[in-house]
Amino acid sequence: AQSVTQLDSQVPVFEEAPVELRCNYSSSVSVYLFWYVQYPNQGLQLLLKYLSGSTLVKGINGFEAEFNKSQTSFHLRKPSVHISDTAEYFCAVSETGGFKTIFGAGTRLFVKA
Amino acid sequence: DGGITQSPKYLFRKEGQNVTLSCEQNLNHDAMYWYRQDPGQGLRLIYYSQIVNDFQKGDIAEGYSVSREKKESFPLTVTSAQKNPTAFYLCASSIGNMGQNYGYTFGSGTRLTVV
Repeated sequence: AQSVTQLDSQVPVFEEAPVELRCNYSSSVSVYLFWYVQYPNQGLQLLLKYLSGSTLVKGINGFEAEFNKSQTSFHLRKPSVHISDTAEYFCAVSETGGFKTIFGAGTRLFVKA
Repeated sequence: DGGITQSPKYLFRKEGQNVTLSCEQNLNHDAMYWYRQDPGQGLRLIYYSQIVNDFQKGDIAEGYSVSREKKESFPLTVTSAQKNPTAFYLCASSIGNMGQNYGYTFGSGTRLTVV
């Protein structure tokens, strides 16, 4: 069985500062990894995904994430955040060849002016 | 534009009442899912369907039922047996060919409140 741990429930940061949202996972098989963003009262939107190949994955809105197999991590980064990045971010894992996705509890990013 | 449509956006349920949440997709995706979201708990899987006329229970299926009579539609019924139904419900779909999950497309959600 897989599990996902998002290490921070809330991350406050000033506008134009860099940010890292941390995600660790556990699985006994190979996995696909995802980051989703949710704005208030909306559904989730796929930010980026790691399926195979390069461990550095670039997504929408200037976000990127790095897959580290030895540390079982998939941290999300952005070099300079905007007020509009304020949202909740979910890390997720899926067994390769599987239909089900397990989501972390979410990290609320709050960007301050 | 292709996407997933959930309706209604807000729904109020009286005690002992069954209610049905609609989910329609025009993405030609094979797999569809229902998740429940509660504050601070992330998303929990209720039911999922890989093909028409077939579906499987997720982690919290008790008190819920689904059907998949058409590829485009995956309605969720919250029955009176669900004792704590107040939550935000999200429908999602994925291509799902040969069991591969390349990421979900989500609807905008239905907020259900018991009154």
